This record gives sequence, C-alpha cells and structure tokens, in this order.
Amino acid sequence: DVKVTQSSRYLVKRTGEKVFLECVQDMDHENMFWYRQDPGLGLRLIYFSYDVKMKEKGDIPEGYSVSREKKERFSLILESASTNQTSMYLCASSPPPPRNTEAFFGQGTRLTVV
Amino acid sequence: DQQVKQNSPSLSVQEGRISILNCDYTNSMFDYFLWYKKYPAEGPTFLISISSIKDKNEDGRFTVFLNKSAKHLSLHIVPSQPGDSAVYFCAASEGASGTYKYIFGTGTRLKVLA
Repeated sequence: DVKVTQSSRYLVKRTGEKVFLECVQDMDHENMFWYRQDPGLGLRLIYFSYDVKMKEKGDIPEGYSVSREKKERFSLILESASTNQTSMYLCASSPPPPRNTEAFFGQGTRLTVV
Repeated sequence: DQQVKQNSPSLSVQEGRISILNCDYTNSMFDYFLWYKKYPAEGPTFLISISSIKDKNEDGRFTVFLNKSAKHLSLHIVPSQPGDSAVYFCAASEGASGTYKYIFGTGTRLKVLA
C-alpha cells in the first residue's frame, strides 16, 4: 500500500515563527503536492513538485515555500507564520502522466497559529 | 476562478436511498476525474475515478457519470449507508497534456440518516 506520512498531526505555533511541515512517501512517486483545506473553500493547491529540486506554484503560494531535496520528501515552509495560515495542511503524491491515477494523501496536519 | 465547482455544500439522504453528488468543471482540457471521501481530522481517501474517454464507471455501490458536453460529473451511491457520511470532493487533472496537478472542488457534506 502507498503510504504518505506527515510528520505531525497537530501543531501550534506563534505568529512570526518559521514553520516546517514534512511529508514522506514510500512509493517512489515523482509528483508531490501540498494543499490546504479550509471550510467552504475545499482543497487549494499551494505548491507541487514533479521531480527532485523542481517546484511549481499552485493557486495560493503566497507566504509559503517548499523544498524537495530527495524524491521521497517534500517540505512546506511557512517563512513567518500568520494567523490566516491556521488550517489543515494535506500532502499528497502520485505517479507522473501519461498514466492517469489517483493522488494518495497523508493524514493531514492541523496547524494553529496564535 | 474556480475550475471545479460543487454547488451543493451539503446533502441529507435516508439510509438505503440513493445519494447523488454533483460537480461541474470549466476547463475542457481536463481528462481525468476523481472523487475523494474525507472524514474529519483525516486525509482524503480515493473513492472512484473516470477517464474522459468514458461516460460511466462503476465500483460496487459507487458509480460516477461523466457528461463531457455539459462539463458535469456526478457520483451516485446506492444504497446509502450511515458510514458514507463524510465530505466528498471531486477533482480533475490534465494528465495527457503533461500538467501534473489535481484541482479540487469545495466539497459536499453528505449526511446519511439512519
């Protein structure tokens, strides 16, 4: 079974802190994604990566950066956490096209910024 | 601009009856569509998918219908069970064009009443 593991289930951070959210997948997938889920807004794509050291902005990249130094690991960085970044963060991975398949999600990290 | 839309935020259905969840999209380049189910404090889990070359895909109690001309897809759950109560997200991707990302709708909360 594909496993996507996020390092924390719950995090509480202070405004202005630098926050690292870590995600590891064990299926040798090329593609990895970071989404955030907010009530009424669904899942919104922050960043994605289709190869090591490659990254592309999603729909809401402002205030975030990412790092992909190894194929299995994709990190989301909040440079200076703010209260409007309180959210559920979801990491996912998938094989590349042209074989269409589903993305596999981690269990999520509930981040609260106070 | 929302490329994938779920216009019903919530739906209540009696146990044993059919649940129909709807999704509309605007991008004609989408060629793969997925449905995910999400419980609170967990990551989304894949439910069923359909390629744009098909108009129906069935898996047990779950059937997805695709109407390309209307840019509309729907998920039918028959019969509905209390354990189906969750938030359902539809998603779309452009695998054949080499675009790797999945775009999600805002979700529909399904409540199945016993």
